[in-house]
Amino acid sequence: SYELTQPPSVSVSPGQTARITCSGDALPKKYASWYQQKSGQAPVLVIYEDSKRPSGIPERFSGSSSGTMATLTISGAQVEDEADYYCYSTDSSGNHRVFGGGTKLTVL
Amino acid sequence: EVQLLESGGNLVQPGGSLRLSCAASGFTFSSYAMSWVRQAPEKGLEWVSSISASGDSTYYTDSVKGQFTISRDNSKNTLYLQMNSLGAEDTAVYYCAKEYSSSSSSLDYWGQGSLVTVSS
Repeated sequence: SYELTQPPSVSVSPGQTARITCSGDALPKKYASWYQQKSGQAPVLVIYEDSKRPSGIPERFSGSSSGTMATLTISGAQVEDEADYYCYSTDSSGNHRVFGGGTKLTVL
Repeated sequence: EVQLLESGGNLVQPGGSLRLSCAASGFTFSSYAMSWVRQAPEKGLEWVSSISASGDSTYYTDSVKGQFTISRDNSKNTLYLQMNSLGAEDTAVYYCAKEYSSSSSSLDYWGQGSLVTVSS
C-alpha cells in the first residue's frame, strides 16, 4: 500500500525556520496538503494543493513540492506553532488517500 | 459558517456494530466529497474512507474494506459510517471532514470527532 514518510520530530528555537518533509512516490503527480494538530484538538488545514494557504493561516506557513518530496516551511516559528503536523495525499490512482506518520514540532 | 457534527460514538463490545453520523451545515453538502479519518489513542491520523459528492463512488483503506460502509443522505446533509465486526484495533476518535474540491483531496473542514471504544 502507498505510504508517505515524515520525520518523527523536528526541533527549532523561536524565530528560526522549521522545515518538515514528506516523501512519497506519487507526489510528482498528486497534490499534498498539510494539517496542524494541537493536543486534544481536531486537525486544521494549513496548506492545500502543495502551496496554497487557507484564509486565516499565518503567512509564516508555506508549502512547496519538488519531485517525490513535499515540504512544509514555518518561517520564524513561534511557541504557539508547537504541534503535530501531518502531510496527506493520494496514491497514483487518486482514489486512496493516506496520511504521513506525523511530525512533532518542538519550538523552544 | 461550515459546521460538521459527529455523533454515534460509544463503548461497544468486540464483534459489535456501530453507526456514526456527521451532520453538515453551512455549505452545499451535495456538492462535496466527504471523508472519515480516525486517530487511535496516542497515534497518528489514519484515512478510513471517502465518498463522492453524489455518493456513487466510495473508497476505503484496506484494513476496513468489507467491514465498514460509508454512505450519505444529501437530502438530510448527513454523512454516515456503518462499522461492523469491531475489534480493539478500531478504538479511535473518528473525524468527518469535507474535501476542498473535486480536484483536490485536501480536507478543509473537520468535525470535533466522535470516540469509539471497543472493549469488553
